[in-house]
Amino acid sequence: DVKVTQSSRYLVKRTGEKVFLECVQDMDHENMFWYRQDPGLGLRLIYFSYDVKMKEKGDIPEGYSVSREKKERFSLILESASTNQTSMYLCASRPPDNYNEQFFGPGTRLTVL
Amino acid sequence: AQSVTQPDIHITVSEGASLELRCNYSYGATPYLFWYVQSPGQGLQLLLKYFSGDTLVQGIKGFEAEFKRSQSSFNLRKPSVHWSDAAEYFCAVGANQAGTALIFGKGTTLSVSS
Repeated sequence: DVKVTQSSRYLVKRTGEKVFLECVQDMDHENMFWYRQDPGLGLRLIYFSYDVKMKEKGDIPEGYSVSREKKERFSLILESASTNQTSMYLCASRPPDNYNEQFFGPGTRLTVL
Repeated sequence: AQSVTQPDIHITVSEGASLELRCNYSYGATPYLFWYVQSPGQGLQLLLKYFSGDTLVQGIKGFEAEFKRSQSSFNLRKPSVHWSDAAEYFCAVGANQAGTALIFGKGTTLSVSS
């Protein structure tokens, strides 16, 4: 089975802190994605990566950056966390062809105080 | 650009009754379409997907969906709902274009009454 793991289920940080959210997949997928999920807004794409060191902005990249140094790992970085970044963050991975499903991790619930 | 609309924010269905969750998409070509389910406190699980062929697709847990190009719809159905189906359901559309991600609807919350 495909497994996508995220480093933390719950995280509490303070405003202005630098926050790292880590995602690891074990199926050698080329594509990886970061979404945030908020009530009433569904899933919104922050960034995605289709290869090592490659990244593309999604719909809401402001305030975020990403890093993909190895194929299996995709990190989301909040350079200076703000309270409006309190949310559920979901990582996903997928093989190269777009008709394949995206496999999701369990999510990280981030609270910024 | 593609987009997805799930017109119903919240639906309540009696246990044993039939279910239909609506999904409308916008995309210029034939899309790839997916339904995911998210149980409370869980990640997203794929129920079914459509990318070509038979427009009626079967999924897990007794769900099915029908792709109707003329209506730009991909509605999810189940003939008899169980209490364990209470969850949030997301429709998603993907493009046949390299370097793109799935676009998700805002979700429909399903409650099941006894």
